Amino acid sequence: AQSVAQPEDQVNVAEGNPLTVKCTYSVSGNPYLFWYVQYPNRGLQFLLKYITGDNLVKGSYGFEAEFNKSQTSFHLKKPSALVSDSALYFCAVRDMGGGSYIPTFGRGTSLIVHP
Amino acid sequence: GAVVSQHPSRVICKSGTSVKIECRSLDFQATTMFWYRQFPKKSLMLMATSNEGSKATYEQGVEKDKFLINHASLTLSTLTVTSAHPEDSSFYICSARDRAGGTNTGELFFGEGSRLTVL
Repeated sequence: AQSVAQPEDQVNVAEGNPLTVKCTYSVSGNPYLFWYVQYPNRGLQFLLKYITGDNLVKGSYGFEAEFNKSQTSFHLKKPSALVSDSALYFCAVRDMGGGSYIPTFGRGTSLIVHP
Repeated sequence: GAVVSQHPSRVICKSGTSVKIECRSLDFQATTMFWYRQFPKKSLMLMATSNEGSKATYEQGVEKDKFLINHASLTLSTLTVTSAHPEDSSFYICSARDRAGGTNTGELFFGEGSRLTVL
């Protein structure tokens, strides 16, 4: 079985400050991990993924995420937030060893960047 | 990345009518597409998996006679909401996997979503 948790319903950060959006996961095997962003009334856009290799993954729009196997986490980060980063962020996981090829999504975290 | 087009982006219909939403993969072939429903409190609910040339696989609790899915080609899947009611009003999003080269690490590419309002 695979599951993912986004413990924060909303994250508030001032423009220019670093941001972190948290994600933890549970899989029976090794994980594929993904982050997506959704702007209002739009579909989801793929940001980045972790498959294997370096634990720090760099993605679109200056975002990065760090895979931490011991903590089963894949937090999304950005060194300096922009107001335009305000959106809904989804973490997703797929168990490489599982029978399903469908990723499981977290409930989403609203990121609000204040000017 | 791969592009998925979804149409219409917004539709308003009267209660009792049927509405069709199209999902197209524009620059890749998608043997599998997925239909999601997004509720006001943002969570995504997987409704069904659409398989080209075969019947869709519906998630538990989703009425297959209510939400008809057809995946007639490698680039097109359609969702038809039959006899729509106000409670069917929602944001519907399709997605697809790009299986080019036989590799697939699982990331999905999403359409822009369709806002359905049933009066």
